[in-house]
Amino acid sequence: DQQVKQNSPSLSVQEGRISILNCDYTNSMFDYFLWYKKYPAEGPTFLISISSIKDKNEDGRFTVFLNKSAKHLSLHIVPSQPGDSAVYFCAASEGGKLIFGQGTELSVKP
Amino acid sequence: KAGVTQTPRYLIKTRGQQVTLSCSPISGHRSVSWYQQTPGQGLQFLFEYFSETQRNKGNFPGRFSGRQFSNSRSEMNVSTLELGDSALYLCASSLPLTSGSDTGELFFGEGSRLTVL
Repeated sequence: DQQVKQNSPSLSVQEGRISILNCDYTNSMFDYFLWYKKYPAEGPTFLISISSIKDKNEDGRFTVFLNKSAKHLSLHIVPSQPGDSAVYFCAASEGGKLIFGQGTELSVKP
Repeated sequence: KAGVTQTPRYLIKTRGQQVTLSCSPISGHRSVSWYQQTPGQGLQFLFEYFSETQRNKGNFPGRFSGRQFSNSRSEMNVSTLELGDSALYLCASSLPLTSGSDTGELFFGEGSRLTVL
């Protein structure tokens, strides 16, 4: 049973436009949500997180939105850059354990 | 400071063999987690160790095991390898949540890519 789902395996966006990556979860006990970015042949790196008591967190070009009633979070990247091309994983935290989604491969075209 | 180090980076085994992977966490990090990454499945949680004790465990068969040493270094072992065990195995370290690192952010190594023939 997949508690964290990223239903879009891939996303293609034009440079300068907005990238929106989505993530759904089923467990209402998750207390933190995180986004990780992964380039080929490298381990995932932390991007941005949000506490379950907030609905928005912003860091430069990256903003994460949390809709608890819908059990949905999204990552917005504005403006998108070719260097943002990578696989993005959302993750949810419960008691020190992170549950990851399947990942969405973002391709930003010049 | 040095990041999470995993060895070996690549290895090839045959069915039925066993494998041991090693992970050295970031200095000062006492929690080590292991994940399996396969195409289409994302990152699947294997287990987490803290102070030499397994604190959390994912839904993997008993062929997958791990341990943590007093210096926080960790190893994971897979016995009786199957073709489906071919994957990238990622180790991540973190400060324990009670320390004030309240996001539970993990710092990942580059992974050990296992191919089972």
